[in-house]
Amino acid sequence: AQSVTQLGSHVSVSEGALVLLRCNYSSSVPPYLFWYVQYPNQGLQLLLKYTSAATLVKGINGFEAEFKKSETSFHLTKPSAHMSDAAEYFCAVSGGNYGGSQGNLIFGKGTKLSVKP
Amino acid sequence: ETGVTQSPTHLIKTRGQQVTLRCSSQSGHNTVSWYQQALGQGPQFIFQYYREEENGRGNFPPRFSGLQFPNYSSELNVNALELDDSALYLCASRHRDRGYEQYFGPGTRLTVT
Repeated sequence: AQSVTQLGSHVSVSEGALVLLRCNYSSSVPPYLFWYVQYPNQGLQLLLKYTSAATLVKGINGFEAEFKKSETSFHLTKPSAHMSDAAEYFCAVSGGNYGGSQGNLIFGKGTKLSVKP
Repeated sequence: ETGVTQSPTHLIKTRGQQVTLRCSSQSGHNTVSWYQQALGQGPQFIFQYYREEENGRGNFPPRFSGLQFPNYSSELNVNALELDDSALYLCASRHRDRGYEQYFGPGTRLTVT
């Protein structure tokens, strides 16, 4: 069974500081991994995805994540936080198959990022 | 902007009632999934429809049901509402040629009193 663990339900950083949001996954098949961002009262927006190509994945808004199979991790980073980055971030894993429930996403519980001026 | 829309935005129902939530996705998105997001939690997979047939379900009882239509719209129906059904309901669609990437709608906030 697949699962995702996000370490830290709340992370607070100062504007301009490094953002590091942690995600560890468990999967019995080669995973597809995703980071989504959710702003208040909105749906989920895809930040970036790993689909077995390059292990360092660049996404939108300056975010990137590195797939480390040996550590079963897919941490999200951004070198310099902006106030507009304040939101909730979700890591998700899928089985990589297109069809059936394996193609759907298993989400972590989320990490709420606060950015202090 | 994902091109996925949901209606209504908010809904208040009473325990025991039935509710229908709607989702509309883009042309070519032949797979739609529904997720339930309780307050403070990550979304949980309810079920998936592909070419108008259910082909995957999470750990949700049969009173959660759905439909998918040829025009890339879909519905989530919940019967005999319970207080714990209060949540944000998200639909997500997938394009037939990019099956691994899901595009989410803004969600419907359901409150059961």
